Amino acid sequence: DSGVTQTPKHLITATGQRVTLRCSPRSGDLSVYWYQQSLDQGLQFLIQYYNGEERAKGNILERFSAQQFPDLHSELNLSSLELGDSALYFCASSVAVGGVHEQFFGPGTRLTVL
Amino acid sequence: LAKTTQPISMDSYEGQEVNITCSHNNIATNDYITWYQQFPSQGPRFIIQGYKTKVTNEVASLFIPADRKSSTLSLPRVSLSDTAVYYCLVAVSGGYQKVTFGTGTKLQVIP
Repeated sequence: DSGVTQTPKHLITATGQRVTLRCSPRSGDLSVYWYQQSLDQGLQFLIQYYNGEERAKGNILERFSAQQFPDLHSELNLSSLELGDSALYFCASSVAVGGVHEQFFGPGTRLTVL
Repeated sequence: LAKTTQPISMDSYEGQEVNITCSHNNIATNDYITWYQQFPSQGPRFIIQGYKTKVTNEVASLFIPADRKSSTLSLPRVSLSDTAVYYCLVAVSGGYQKVTFGTGTKLQVIP
């Protein structure tokens, strides 16, 4: 158990819909990262937040947005869903102490768009 | 961002030592090299991180030559449970970074 929680574990929805994925980082971690992993693909970095502020952006679609709240939990919003958005979405957190940077990943949310 | 290249897949017998090499020719001075392990349908798990020379922990060793243009993850005496995808990452250590995972190396351990 990494200490990072993600809800829901599974999500099935239809094209055109909007969903929200939630992530709670490890206690004390200020950074939250979101990744997308399609079937048999590597992890694609989407976005990073640090203490409530956006810090880095990857290949995140305009239909996707995220935020980190004052209690440090984060939400990833996916709208106008398409079949190709079906994937595992991972959240990770880190505290980045000194020269060691380790990301702790949650169990993921499996999104299926029908 | 430094681009990494690693073999797509490797097979190994149980009990053997496995070495997975990663190339990162344009690594920057401040970049660290980090390896993660991922089992199917699970989030990646940190294995080891290093900057130069050799780093060892309870599960693996990381060898980094002086020019730092490559690195080798060494897994001693692998077991079936080591069957997983292994990712090599190069990124600046710290809280503000964009970490890029490639497609990794799929290691299959054979009984």
